[in-house]
Amino acid sequence: DIQMTQSPSSLSASVGDRVTITCRASQSITNYLNWYQQKPGKAPKLLIYAASSLQSGVPSRFSGSGSGTDFTLTINSLQPEDFATYYCQQSWSTPRTFGQGTKVEIK
Amino acid sequence: EVQLLESGGDLVQPGGSLRLSCVASGFTFSNHAMNWVRQAPGKGLEWVSSITGYGGNTYSADSVKGRFTISRDNSKNTLSLQMDSLRADDTAVYYCAKESVGASTPAPHFDYWGQGTLVTVSS
Repeated sequence: DIQMTQSPSSLSASVGDRVTITCRASQSITNYLNWYQQKPGKAPKLLIYAASSLQSGVPSRFSGSGSGTDFTLTINSLQPEDFATYYCQQSWSTPRTFGQGTKVEIK
Repeated sequence: EVQLLESGGDLVQPGGSLRLSCVASGFTFSNHAMNWVRQAPGKGLEWVSSITGYGGNTYSADSVKGRFTISRDNSKNTLSLQMDSLRADDTAVYYCAKESVGASTPAPHFDYWGQGTLVTVSS
C-alpha cells in the first residue's frame, strides 16, 4: 500500500497569511494526488485534483503543485472560511490512501 | 445538481450486520465508479471500498475485506455496502463518494460526497 504523510499535522495562522501544507507519498504516484477540505460535521470537499487542477467553483487562492512523491497545497491570503482540516489522497492505486490530515487553526 | 444521499446507519451490536445505501441523482450513475469512505470519531478519512461503473470490479481495504461487500444497482441509481461481522472499530461516519477523472488527465478523484451516515458498533 502507498503511505501518504502530511506535514504539519496542525498549524496556526492569521487571516491574510499564506499557508503551505506538504504531502509525501511512499512511492511515486506521478500526479495522481488530490486535496480535500473538511469542516467539522461536514463531508469532505474536493479542492485540487491531479496535483494542480483546481476543482470548479474553488477559489483561486488555493493551488497545488508537485509530482512523483512530493506535493504541496498552498492557500494564498487565508480567509476565515478556510479554517478547516485538509487531506491529501493518492489515486494511483488501491487502496486510495489519505494523509492523516492537517488542521488549520486561527492564530 | 449532483446529490448523494446515504441511509442505513444505526447502532448495532458487535458481530451484527448492517446495510448502507446511497441514492444518487444529477449525473449518469453508471458512468462513474463509486466509493465508500469512512471516518471514525475524531479521526481521519479511510477509504473503504470502490466499485466500477458497471459493477464488474470491486476493491476493498484490507480492514474490511471478507466482511463488507460493495454493490450497485444502476437501474435504481443506488450504491450499497453490506456490512457483516461488525466490530467496534467499524464505528464511523460512512460517506459515499462519486469518482471522476479529469478531461485532460486520467487521475481519479472524488468530486462529490454525500452527507454521511453514522454506524455505531457497541453492546
